Parts: sequence; structure tokens; C-alpha cells
Amino acid sequence: EAGVAQSPRYKIIEKRQSVAFWCNPISGHATLYWYQQILGQGPKLLIQFQNNGVVDDSQLPKDRFSAERLKGVDSTLKIQPAKLEDSAVYLCASSLDPGTDTQYFGPGTRLTVL
Amino acid sequence: GENVEQHPSTLSVQEGDSAVIKCTYSDSASNYFPWYKQELGKGPQLIIDIRSNVGEKKDQRIAVTLNKTAKHFSLHITETQPEDSAVYFCADSSGAGSYQLTFGKGTKLSVIP
Repeated sequence: EAGVAQSPRYKIIEKRQSVAFWCNPISGHATLYWYQQILGQGPKLLIQFQNNGVVDDSQLPKDRFSAERLKGVDSTLKIQPAKLEDSAVYLCASSLDPGTDTQYFGPGTRLTVL
Repeated sequence: GENVEQHPSTLSVQEGDSAVIKCTYSDSASNYFPWYKQELGKGPQLIIDIRSNVGEKKDQRIAVTLNKTAKHFSLHITETQPEDSAVYFCADSSGAGSYQLTFGKGTKLSVIP
């Protein structure tokens, strides 16, 4: 079974530029999560989707971050404009259905904002 | 969950010894407690989990114990090997529809050959 796929794996941008990350969850997984992991810390939830609807985006800095999952499969996370403090690893995770806690993570995208 | 505290932040053990990592949680509604292993440059990998109706779970060299009264749970790794070296994260979830995970800050485990 293929795991969660993410791209790109690394991205370096200047502050105030925009960037987008892509995630393809495990086939059949209805729930998709985006996390931000700052160096030396645990992952912090940004947004949770169930199929193509948003379950919780209370931790998403909506003035600069946006995310979508239009067809209920792939998802993109965008930052515009980026700030220095956005430097982190952005992790995507998926779970089989809303009634389960077990989440499977992708390899992440390491973002460096200069 | 609301808050998860994890200790220690770093742990060094000799190969073959045991390693124990402890976490405490604050949310009384928490009922699911997974442990993830994260190697350098990779995403977190689920290694074991436990639900609130169970006090202990074991999978080969890895075990997790849960004390709901004290609100703490622990990861035990026996007969450690160099490939166990990684950062380990505990987390909790209260279910309640969203099944969101709250993570601890991680423990960097080094197994010295």
C-alpha cells in the first residue's frame, strides 16, 4: 500500500514570496490533516479536512495560509506572503475515516524562508 | 487533548539496555494515545498506540502503559538497538468527532553501540 505522498520535499524562498505544498493521501482515506513542525517541537495541527470539507481550521493563520481539497483526494497548502517564522516542516497526514484516530504521515516538506 | 508534557527531552542508553519515555496529559476526555518515531528527514511513523480501555499493550520490544487516574502514559523499549535512535513523540486524542492529535515536544533517543 502506498503511503502519503508530499511534494516538494524542500523549498527555499525569500520572505514575502508565496509557496504551495501538495499532498496525496493514502487511497481511500477520507480525512486529511496538515501540520506545521517547527524545529525541536512536535507537529501542530493547522487544518483538518473530511472528504472535501473543512472540519477544523481554527489554528490556521488565515491572513496568510490557505488550504483546499477540492475533489476530496489531493490537497494543497499555500502561504502568501511568507514570513521568516514560517520556516518549518509541513507534514500531511491521513486517516481512514472520521471515526478513527490512527493517522499516517507523509515525509513532509521542509520550508526555509530567508 | 489540551496539553501533553513529555520527558526526558534527550535520552542516551547503551545498546541492549532499556529506554523509558514518559508523558502526561491534561484533558480528562483523552482516550487514544499513540507513539510516533521520527527519523531524520522523515515523517513521523506510528509505532504503537493504546486506547483508554486498556492498561498495557506490547509489540515485540515495544510496550506502552497507561494510567488514566494519574493521566500519564509511558513508552518502554527493551533490548535497544542502534536503529532505535530517533526522536519519539507521544500524543493524545479525545475523539469527540474530530480525532485531532496533540503532540508532546519529543524525546531524542540515542542508542550507543
